[in-house]
Amino acid sequence: DQQVKQNSPSLSVQEGRISILNCDYTNSMFDYFLWYKKYPAEGPTFLISISSIKDKNEDGRFTVFLNKSAKHLSLHIVPSQPGDSAVYFCAASPGNQFYFGTGTSLTVIP
Amino acid sequence: EAGVTQFPSHSVIEKGQTVTLRCDPISGHDNLYWYRRVMGKEIKFLLHFVKESKQDESGMPNNRFLAERTGGTYSTLKVQPAELEDSGVYFCASRLGTGDTEAFFGQGTRLTVV
Repeated sequence: DQQVKQNSPSLSVQEGRISILNCDYTNSMFDYFLWYKKYPAEGPTFLISISSIKDKNEDGRFTVFLNKSAKHLSLHIVPSQPGDSAVYFCAASPGNQFYFGTGTSLTVIP
Repeated sequence: EAGVTQFPSHSVIEKGQTVTLRCDPISGHDNLYWYRRVMGKEIKFLLHFVKESKQDESGMPNNRFLAERTGGTYSTLKVQPAELEDSGVYFCASRLGTGDTEAFFGQGTRLTVV
């Protein structure tokens, strides 16, 4: 029973445009949310996070939005660059361990 | 500062054999996690150590999997005997605390059971 869902397995975006990656969760006990980026043959690397007491966190080109009532999380990348092409995993934590989604493969077209 | 390192990076073994994966966490990180990703699926939790103690092993699939973290430093994950469905990428992660802190992942061990 998956508690974190990424319903889009893939996304293609033109360079310079906005990439929006979505994530839904079911467990209301989750209070910390993260996005990880993964290149082939590498481990996931931390990108950005948000605590449940906030609804937005921004770090350069990356912004994470949290809608607690909808149990929905999104990652915005503006502007998208070819180097952003990777698999993005959404993760959520109730404090101890992390629950991950299945990932969304982002391709940024030059 | 060294990140999380895992050995080996790849392992191909026959069904019924034994394999031991190793993880060296970031120095000073008390929290160590093992995760597994089967092709195209989510990164799934296996277990969580706090220092040398198993805090949560609810994700371990069955008793063919044994994890240890003697001395609270590096950890090993042994699969004995390996089955075909054990194939996947095994990730180790470490974390300084819990709560609002991120985990740092190793590059993973790709295990193929044939």
